[in-house]
Amino acid sequence: GAVVSQHPSWVICKSGTSVKIECRSLDFQATTMFWYRQFPKQSLMLMATSNEGSKATYEQGVEKDKFLINHASLTLSTLTVTSAHPEDSSFYICSATRGALSNQPQHFGDGTRLSIL
Amino acid sequence: AQSVTQLDSHVSVSEGTPVLLRCNYSSSYSPSLFWYVQHPNKGLQLLLKYTSAATLVKGINGFEAEFKKSETSFHLTKPSAHMSDAAEYFCVVNKGAQKLVFGQGTRLTINP
Repeated sequence: GAVVSQHPSWVICKSGTSVKIECRSLDFQATTMFWYRQFPKQSLMLMATSNEGSKATYEQGVEKDKFLINHASLTLSTLTVTSAHPEDSSFYICSATRGALSNQPQHFGDGTRLSIL
Repeated sequence: AQSVTQLDSHVSVSEGTPVLLRCNYSSSYSPSLFWYVQHPNKGLQLLLKYTSAATLVKGINGFEAEFKKSETSFHLTKPSAHMSDAAEYFCVVNKGAQKLVFGQGTRLTINP
């Protein structure tokens, strides 16, 4: 089946640093990837849609200068949390779809737990 | 606008008994609906999906769900719970352009 790999799985860093999270589709090409944020015991909230070769589309309320997304190839999207602060601590999950049809399921990475001290 | 409501935040059943996780949807057109499962500190795994081909959808690990348009429901069931089924379950609808809207989640606990 489809596999999406996310790295790192856990990161702890000091306030003010920037953190990059990678999302890779291992056995298929993904023209579109998605980034979600999940707070403890809550559901997933879509942050942005990452499109290969073009700018990401951010959901309302998500700061694009804070959460930089790059989708440089058909198998890799990165999320960079810039100048991270404790309130950015969260579980970040990426997903990817094989095709463009709306009935295609999204395949999720295992998530990255980000802790800002 | 497309949305889903999971009616129970927590469901607890005994091992070997049936599981029912309830989900109601709201959609202005025939929706694409999914059930995903999330184990602690993990991403989401697709259990099954409904895309209008058949109202009774069979998924992995013995789960199935029935799409009922008259009731706007898409409840997830399993005849016999296993300890490994303990996890968080999300009912999800596609709101277009491949964007997903998640329900609030239902935590399933299995008692030995």
